[in-house]
Amino acid sequence: GENVEQHPSTLSVQEGDSAVIKCTYSDSASNYFPWYKQELGKRPQLIIDIRSNVGEKKDQRIAVTLNKTAKHFSLHITETQPEDSAVYFCAASFIGSQGNLIFGKGTKLSVKP
Amino acid sequence: DAGVIQSPRHEVTEMGQEVTLRCKPISGHDYLFWYRQTMMRGLELLIYFNNNVPIDDSGMPEDRFSAKMPNASFSTLKIQPSEPRDSAVYFCASRGTGRRIGYTFGSGTRLTVV
Repeated sequence: GENVEQHPSTLSVQEGDSAVIKCTYSDSASNYFPWYKQELGKRPQLIIDIRSNVGEKKDQRIAVTLNKTAKHFSLHITETQPEDSAVYFCAASFIGSQGNLIFGKGTKLSVKP
Repeated sequence: DAGVIQSPRHEVTEMGQEVTLRCKPISGHDYLFWYRQTMMRGLELLIYFNNNVPIDDSGMPEDRFSAKMPNASFSTLKIQPSEPRDSAVYFCASRGTGRRIGYTFGSGTRLTVV
């Protein structure tokens, strides 16, 4: 089955700096890669996703890149703000006739003012 | 849409008692997932359903855990008997197909077994 590795487990940046979180996946059939943000005591919320037919996707300060050959994808947050502080999860799934969502272990991002 | 609705939000029970967690997926979503979240193990997929049929329950820890989906708008996760190591936050999520692909999580049930 699918296995998703996520690094780093914790990340501390200064406000205004960029943050990068990286994930690798094992199943080459996976074709859908969402990122979730989870604030303390709340549910994971989808912030951006990418499908395997796209190499990069951007939404304001957030971007995701995908390298299918190397089976890795990354989340980039630019101009970080204190409210970006949360745990971020990457995930991988095969969207087809069936498909579950397998998560990485999460990255705790702290943005220091 | 009200989103994925879970109940109860918090549950405290004594070891050995039966616990039932409930989930109402988003209308029109044909996949439903149960996850367990702990500090040690992160977000673990327990079981998922497609069109009310269980597809993969390999993540269910042991026979004390069972899940059902009697119809498209309701699912339960039952633990009987409960143990302290079952303490965790249990999330339900649903997703659609085609353009409605996004997985949406419920608010979770925080279970404490004492």
